[in-house]
Amino acid sequence: ILNVEQSPQSLHVQEGDSTNFTCSFPSSNFYALHWYRWETAKSPEALFVMTLNGDEKKKGRISATLNTKEGYSYLYIKGSQPEDSATYLCAFFDSGNTGKLIFGQGTTLQVKP
Amino acid sequence: EPEVTQTPSHQVTQMGQEVILRCVPISNHLYFYWYRQILGQKVEFLVSFYNNEISEKSEIFDDQFSVERPDGSNFTLKIRSTKLEDSAMYFCASRPTGIYNEQFFGPGTRLTVL
Repeated sequence: ILNVEQSPQSLHVQEGDSTNFTCSFPSSNFYALHWYRWETAKSPEALFVMTLNGDEKKKGRISATLNTKEGYSYLYIKGSQPEDSATYLCAFFDSGNTGKLIFGQGTTLQVKP
Repeated sequence: EPEVTQTPSHQVTQMGQEVILRCVPISNHLYFYWYRQILGQKVEFLVSFYNNEISEKSEIFDDQFSVERPDGSNFTLKIRSTKLEDSAMYFCASRPTGIYNEQFFGPGTRLTVL
């Protein structure tokens, strides 16, 4: 059974702090790892699709790295803002017939002004 | 920008009743999914749909569940006889062809079974 784990479960930071979360996933049969940002009452929004070992992707103040050999990915937020408050989900792309996603439990970030 | 929509946003039903959750995926997408999240648990895969048929289903997706794409635009999830443990947030997602493409999620339907 494929298992994806995220840590920490929740995080409270002050505005301006930088922070990072971890996603660990199976290192065998790797195709892709997705990061999503989910605000309450909104659709989960894709941040990154990571595919290559050593990948580093960036979108504004948010960046992510990928290590497929050891099975982890980090998401970094530089200079957190209150609008970054959300749940961040990582999801392992299952290379079966249909490419379903296997999700971690998410990290809920609260940024205090 | 195209988006996945879902209706209703919240559905309350009595145990044993049938519910239909509706989704309109993005129009040129070919793969469709239903996921759910029970409160406090991980988002979990239910079923995938491609080329007008189910391509994969999880152990959760038993005979009480069915999916349909009746008219080329809507994608529905039916639960025939709801149980208390079906209470969850149900998400629809779609993606275009190409395995490295993201899945686009709708905002979810919160199903409460009383």
